[in-house]
Amino acid sequence: AQSVTQPDIHITVSEGASLELRCNYSYGATPYLFWYVQSPGQGLQLLLKYFSGDTLVQGIKGFEAEFKRSQSSFNLRKPSVHWSDAAEYFCAVGPSGTYKYIFGTGTRLKVLA
Amino acid sequence: GAVVSQHPSWVICKSGTSVKIECRSLDFQATTMFWYRQFPKQSLMLMATSNEGSKATYEQGVEKDKFLINHASLTLSTLTVTSAHPEDSSFYICSARVGANPNQPQHFGDGTRLSIL
Repeated sequence: AQSVTQPDIHITVSEGASLELRCNYSYGATPYLFWYVQSPGQGLQLLLKYFSGDTLVQGIKGFEAEFKRSQSSFNLRKPSVHWSDAAEYFCAVGPSGTYKYIFGTGTRLKVLA
Repeated sequence: GAVVSQHPSWVICKSGTSVKIECRSLDFQATTMFWYRQFPKQSLMLMATSNEGSKATYEQGVEKDKFLINHASLTLSTLTVTSAHPEDSSFYICSARVGANPNQPQHFGDGTRLSIL
């Protein structure tokens, strides 16, 4: 069955430090991959997406993600975290040929001043 | 671009009443919209897929008579929670996809927090 795993429920980093949020998926073919961010009490904002091509994807707010087929991973990175990055981050998989997303359970990021 | 507006953002009502939530695509046409439910500190669970001009497709376990979905135009989908009870209290989020190309990502509204007393 298709699934998305975000192993880290909570992550705390200091402002200015680098960040990596993990996402692993289970799917037979190459899916469409997304990272969304959710601030408290709000909807989701798309950070970046991967469909094909270059496996390193640049997104908004200085985020990037790398697709690694051999590891079935799509980890999100940012070289220097800002206090405003504190939020919940969701990885999502959209199996190709369908329109339904499967969301991971989310990683809550806390940023220390 | 690709802005999705959801209204209301917060609603509190008495048990037994019906509540309607609107989801609008402001600057694009959305043939397909999606309704999700999110419990506190949990992920999003897809409730149903709303297609303009046709009946919604509900996920397994979602009561279609409880959660009525109407997608009468290319820019508006509504979710009506009928005879709401406290267990229906949740955060409801809609999303819309630009066009019919599956390559297009879903764009999300800001959600509606529903509290049933």
